[in-house]
Amino acid sequence: KQEVTQIPAALSVPEGENLVLNCSFTDSAIYNLQWFRQDPGKGLTSLLLIQSSQREQTSGRLNASLDKSSGRSTLYIAASQPGDSATYLCAVLSSGSARQLTFGSGTQLTVLP
Amino acid sequence: DTGVSQDPRHKITKRGQNVTFRCDPISEHNRLYWYRQTLGQGPEFLTYFQNEAQLEKSRLLSDRFSAERPKGSFSTLEIQRTEQGDSAMYLCASSYLRGLAGAGDTQYFGPGTRLTVL
Repeated sequence: KQEVTQIPAALSVPEGENLVLNCSFTDSAIYNLQWFRQDPGKGLTSLLLIQSSQREQTSGRLNASLDKSSGRSTLYIAASQPGDSATYLCAVLSSGSARQLTFGSGTQLTVLP
Repeated sequence: DTGVSQDPRHKITKRGQNVTFRCDPISEHNRLYWYRQTLGQGPEFLTYFQNEAQLEKSRLLSDRFSAERPKGSFSTLEIQRTEQGDSAMYLCASSYLRGLAGAGDTQYFGPGTRLTVL
């Protein structure tokens, strides 16, 4: 059974800092990995999707990397802003498990002005 | 196209009552998913449809839960005889199958329905 872990559970940084969020998964047989953002009481917004054959994806100030063999992914946020404050969730789509995403518990990020 | 929509956004009910939630996916999306999220946790998969066929159900989906997608468009999730443990955010997502089975497809999530069972 696939398990996804995110560390740290919460992170507080001053505005302007670069930061890294970590995600690890136990079964490396995956189709893809997604990073989502969730604001309090809201749904999920997809940030980046990395296919199993890819090593990284970039969107603006966000860069996500994937090391499938070691079961790890990182989300790098450059020049953080208070508007980046949210919970960031990592999810994997495992091979052979139909279409269900397995999520981590998230990292709650607070960027202080 | 305004994305995935869910109705209602909030529902408060008494234990033992039945509730029904609706999800309207993005037009042309042939896959639809239901997830449940409790406070401080990531979403957990409940079930998914490809067109009108329900192809997989999680063990979390007890006999009190039923989901339908009768015409391959919108979907409903019904919970019968609600219990306090059913209190959670119920999220719907949709995606479009492209290429061969197993190709990565991005799931787009709705705003969720927050259920509170008193």
